[in-house]
Amino acid sequence: GENVEQHPSTLSVQEGDSAVIKCTYSDSASNYFPWYKQELGKRPQLIIDIRSNVGEKKDQRIAVTLNKTAKHFSLHITETQPEDSAVYFCAASIMDTGRRALTFGSGTRLQVQP
Amino acid sequence: NAGVTQTPKFRVLKTGQSMTLLCAQDMNHEYMYWYRQDPGMGLRLIHYSVGEGTTAKGEVPDGYNVSRLKKQNFLLGLESAAPSQTSVYFCASSYTKDTQYFGPGTRLTVL
Repeated sequence: GENVEQHPSTLSVQEGDSAVIKCTYSDSASNYFPWYKQELGKRPQLIIDIRSNVGEKKDQRIAVTLNKTAKHFSLHITETQPEDSAVYFCAASIMDTGRRALTFGSGTRLQVQP
Repeated sequence: NAGVTQTPKFRVLKTGQSMTLLCAQDMNHEYMYWYRQDPGMGLRLIHYSVGEGTTAKGEVPDGYNVSRLKKQNFLLGLESAAPSQTSVYFCASSYTKDTQYFGPGTRLTVL
């Protein structure tokens, strides 16, 4: 089955700096890669996703890049703000099959220092 | 729309007791999932369903059973709870756009 590894497990940055979280996956058939943000005591919420037919996607201060050859993808947050502090999860799955379930990374706790 | 809801929000069980967690969605989603979240381990898939009347095992199915008798509901059962099942349980649902929407979670403690 799919295995997703996520690094780092914790990340502390100063407000205004950039943050980068990296994930690798094992199944070359995976073609959907979402990122979820989970604030303390809350549910995971999708912040951005990318499919394997594109290499990069951007949404305001958030961007995701995908390298299919190396089987890794990254989340980039620019101009970080205190409200970006949360746990971020990457995930991978194979779309267009009956399963569609996600395999998650172990999470990165991002702390933005004001 | 309420989205995805879960009942109950909190529960404490004794070892060997049974219980059922209810997940409901009002988005007419075909796909529903149960995950458990443990510290440092992300979310792990327990069981999932690709439509009414269907269920399938995920990554960590042992000790759990599920049923999807109605499209909008997905039930997770623990027949004989064990301390190792202490966790936060999240339900999620999705349509064909792949985005999964999560419920608020159920915090279960097994003593």
